[in-house]
Amino acid sequence: GDSVTQMEGPVTLSEEAFLTINCTYTATGYPSLFWYVQYPGEGLQLLLKATKADDKGSNKGFEATYRKETTSFHLEKGSVQVSDSAVYFCALSRNTGGFKTIFGAGTRLFVKA
Amino acid sequence: DVKVTQSSRYLVKRTGEKVFLECVQDMDHENMFWYRQDPGLGLRLIYFSYDVKMKEKGDIPEGYSVSREKKERFSLILESASTNQTSMYLCASSFPDRSNYGYTFGSGTRLTVV
Repeated sequence: GDSVTQMEGPVTLSEEAFLTINCTYTATGYPSLFWYVQYPGEGLQLLLKATKADDKGSNKGFEATYRKETTSFHLEKGSVQVSDSAVYFCALSRNTGGFKTIFGAGTRLFVKA
Repeated sequence: DVKVTQSSRYLVKRTGEKVFLECVQDMDHENMFWYRQDPGLGLRLIYFSYDVKMKEKGDIPEGYSVSREKKERFSLILESASTNQTSMYLCASSFPDRSNYGYTFGSGTRLTVV
């Protein structure tokens, strides 16, 4: 069945460091891919998405590229801020016939000033 | 601003109580979902609904039921609360045939069963 695997955390970075959170997926067909972010005490918010191969999703300085050949959707940001401290979830959703989204386990990011 | 609203941020209930968690969305979404979130286990789907009065079991439905009498409201019911149901509960909604739009989540209800 479909699955999403993302790197275990926590990831601890200093402010202005480069961020990469790895995400790979297993799915038949052509799923849509997402990154969600969860700030402390809150629900998840959609951060960015990509719906087909080679698409790049971007938002708030974060980027991720849909790589079908490596079944990956790694999240990157060039310069993190303390306010980016949160849990990040990679997810996939099928474009047809599915009502459910499959979420990864989440990666906690701590950014130190 | 579109919203999914969960009625309580924090709840404390006693073992054996019947517990209702309410979720309301104002986006005219057909699909609604209940997840629970636990450390180390990520998000697990309890139930979902793709239309009024329709419901489908998710991955961990045992001990839970749901109600969808109106399109905008999806209720999660713990028939007899137990301590292992202490968790963060998240409600979400989406369009049915546009899965590339993603989900909109509520802020969550942190339930403690004592």
